[in-house]
Amino acid sequence: AQKVTQAQTEISVVEKEDVTLDCVYETRDTTYYLFWYKQPPSGELVFLIRRNSFDEQNEISGRYSWNFQKSTSSFNFTITASQVVDSAVYFCALSEAISNFGNEKLTFGTGTRLTIIP
Amino acid sequence: KAGVTQTPRYLIKTRGQQVTLSCSPISGHRSVSWYQQTPGQGLQFLFEYFSETQRNKGNFPGRFSGRQFSNSRSEMNVSTLELGDSALYLCASSLINTGQNTEAFFGQGTRLTVV
Repeated sequence: AQKVTQAQTEISVVEKEDVTLDCVYETRDTTYYLFWYKQPPSGELVFLIRRNSFDEQNEISGRYSWNFQKSTSSFNFTITASQVVDSAVYFCALSEAISNFGNEKLTFGTGTRLTIIP
Repeated sequence: KAGVTQTPRYLIKTRGQQVTLSCSPISGHRSVSWYQQTPGQGLQFLFEYFSETQRNKGNFPGRFSGRQFSNSRSEMNVSTLELGDSALYLCASSLINTGQNTEAFFGQGTRLTVV
């Protein structure tokens, strides 16, 4: 069975500080996908990144960066120079490879509520 | 391009009733997935439809059912509602087309309250 653990339930940081959200996953599949989603108060989940199990390259997108390490089954997310608009609940998710994109059945972590203090 | 549309946004039902929620995916998207979000259980996968066929189902009782129409629109139905069914129900659509880079787009959800 697949499992995603986000041990940090809530994090508060002062604006402009860097913050890292942790994600640890469990799966028996050799091919799988990892995701991060942001959920603002409006409720919809906003896609941030997808990573397949064969691509361990770290990725940077603006102030966001992701560190994927298969050896420790972790897929951590760092926000640099945080802003108040980053306040939201962030979910890490795992998917088996049903198709080439693995969007169809996501196992989510419990989420980390991030609050950026002005 | 219009996003994923879920209707209604809010719903209040009484225990024992049934409810139908609707999801219109992004135009051209053929895969629709449904998730239940509750404070206690978090986000849980309900089922996924592709080309009118249910391809995957989560661990929910038979009271939860769904279907997909030829235009890819999907509905989910919950019969004999229980208080524990109160949740935010999220729908996601995906393109699912080899060679295309796509992710799952989520709607804003339907918040169901069972009283």
